[in-house]
Amino acid sequence: QQQVKQSPQSLIVQKGGISIINCAYENTAFDYFPWYQQFPGKGPALLIAIRPDVSEKKEGRFTISFNKSAKQFSLHIMDSQPGDSATYFCAASRARSGGYQKVTFGTGTKLQVIP
Amino acid sequence: ETGVTQSPTHLIKTRGQQVTLRCSSQSGHNTVSWYQQALGQGPQFIFQYYREEENGRGNFPPRFSGLQFPNYSSELNVNALELDDSALYLCASSEGASNEKLFFGSGTQLSVL
Repeated sequence: QQQVKQSPQSLIVQKGGISIINCAYENTAFDYFPWYQQFPGKGPALLIAIRPDVSEKKEGRFTISFNKSAKQFSLHIMDSQPGDSATYFCAASRARSGGYQKVTFGTGTKLQVIP
Repeated sequence: ETGVTQSPTHLIKTRGQQVTLRCSSQSGHNTVSWYQQALGQGPQFIFQYYREEENGRGNFPPRFSGLQFPNYSSELNVNALELDDSALYLCASSEGASNEKLFFGSGTQLSVL
């Protein structure tokens, strides 16, 4: 059962444009929603994260929009740059009984920003 | 501050063999999690180690096992390798078992022939 669905699978954006990646989740017990950025040959790196008690979080050019009732959240990258070309993963997690964290990842979006 | 380091970076094994992957956690982090990332997919949670004990596990069979050492470094062992075990294995460390902020290493690319 895929608990976090991500779209689109790939995205091409012109330099300076807005990149938008969408995710939907099923489990209402999730309480932490991070986005990870992964470059080829590297592990994922935490980019920005949000908790369900806020509807938006902005850090520099990166913004998460969160819709709790729709169980959806999205990443917006403003003024996209070629250096933003990477694979982006949305994810969701919650603390489990026993005190461990299991992060459930989406399937990824490969973003290409062209000059 | 030292980041998460994994070794080896690449490994080729044949079906039925056993493999051990290693991970050194980021300085100050006492928790290590392991994830499997198949080509074109998101990482899948294997298990988490805290205070040298496995305290959480995903949907992986018992032939996937691990260890955590007193210095918080960790090993992932996979027995009886199958072709489908070919993947990037990622180690992530965090500051506490309940901390959601994961810091990933660059992974070990395992190919099973």
